[in-house]
Amino acid sequence: DARVTQTPRDKVTEMGQEVTMRCQPILGHNTVFWYRQTMMQGLELLAYFRNRAPLDDSGMPKDRFSAEMPDATLATLKIQPSEPRDSAVYFCASGLTTGLASNNEQFFGPGTRLTVL
Amino acid sequence: AQTVTQSQPEMSVQEAETVTLSCTYDTSESDYYLFWYKQPPSRQMILVIRQEAYKQQNATENRFSVNFQKAAKSFSLKISDSQLGDAAMYFCAYRSVQGAQKLVFGQGTRLTINP
Repeated sequence: DARVTQTPRDKVTEMGQEVTMRCQPILGHNTVFWYRQTMMQGLELLAYFRNRAPLDDSGMPKDRFSAEMPDATLATLKIQPSEPRDSAVYFCASGLTTGLASNNEQFFGPGTRLTVL
Repeated sequence: AQTVTQSQPEMSVQEAETVTLSCTYDTSESDYYLFWYKQPPSRQMILVIRQEAYKQQNATENRFSVNFQKAAKSFSLKISDSQLGDAAMYFCAYRSVQGAQKLVFGQGTRLTINP
């Protein structure tokens, strides 16, 4: 049963601490997305990768957030230093894109609920 | 930039009845995809139904169907024979066919099913 996995499922930390969230996309998928869900902003894209290269990270605060794909089976989202306003659910999603277009579904992981005190 | 609007923050329906959730969007593109996602309390995002803009026929998936009005930029979701398990947040989403592959989401509608 192929699925996107994310760790940790929940994370509580104190302001100023570094937070790393991990995502394992579905094997064979070449596109990975990071979304953030908050009550005020709803679901918004932070960054996405295709074939491990970042294509769009315009939604991500550059001073404290960083996203990487060390290899095809792992995507990471790091916040350093974390702030209370970063409290949210962070979703990873993966999909398969061929050529310039894609009509394929994005499969979502279960999300990481981050609470920054 | 594309935007998606869900004007109903909350909806409720009696079990076994039919309910329609509204969604409008704004885009200058002629080809795109539209989706409805369900998010139960487990917070897992589950794809309910999708519609390709070039298709005139409305998509259906069992008890779920859409009313896609391209000229009006409207994309509503109809749930027939509502079940207790349908209770969730429902999100309408837009995605371009080419270029940026990101999903643009509406603010969501919380659906309650009354037994």
